[in-house]
Amino acid sequence: GENVEQHPSTLSVQEGDSAVIKCTYSDSASNYFPWYKQELGKGPQLIIDIRSNVGEKKDQRIAVTLNKTAKHFSLHITETQPEDSAVYFCAASLNYGGSQGNLIFGKGTKLSVKP
Amino acid sequence: IAGITQAPTSQILAAGRRMTLRCTQDMRHNAMYWYRQDLGLGLRLIHYSNTAGTTGKGEVPDGYSVSRANTDDFPLTLASAVPSQTSVYFCASSDSRRGSYNEQFFGPGTRLTVL
Repeated sequence: GENVEQHPSTLSVQEGDSAVIKCTYSDSASNYFPWYKQELGKGPQLIIDIRSNVGEKKDQRIAVTLNKTAKHFSLHITETQPEDSAVYFCAASLNYGGSQGNLIFGKGTKLSVKP
Repeated sequence: IAGITQAPTSQILAAGRRMTLRCTQDMRHNAMYWYRQDLGLGLRLIHYSNTAGTTGKGEVPDGYSVSRANTDDFPLTLASAVPSQTSVYFCASSDSRRGSYNEQFFGPGTRLTVL
């Protein structure tokens, strides 16, 4: 089955700097890769996702890149702000036609943005 | 209500007791999920349901059962709680109709402590 590795487990950056979180997956058939942000005491919330037919997707200060050959994808946050501090999870799944595979999550990265 | 609600918010339970965690969504999503979140282990899927009347086992199903009598509700039952089931439990839902990818929406979680 699918296995997702996420690094680093903790990341501390200065406000205004960029942050990068990396994930690798094992199943080359996986075709959907979402990123979730979890603030303290809350449930995870989808912030961006990418499908295997594109290599990069951007939404304001966050972007995700996908390298299918190497089976890894990354989250990039630019101009970090203190409110970006949270735990971030990557995930992977296989979706085809009307059938959805279950999400397999990485173990999470705790991002701290210091003012 | 809007989105997903979970009850109770937190619970302390004696080992051996039976406990049902409740989850309700009002988005008419066909798929629902239960995860447990433990420090350093990320989110692990316990059980899922792709549609009312069907359920499936996830990565860590032992000691848990679920039912899906209707679209909106997906209760998780611990028949005889053990201390290793101390965790934060998240319910999630998604729309898995043809053409939709597995974007999952999470509830606020239930913090369960088994003594």
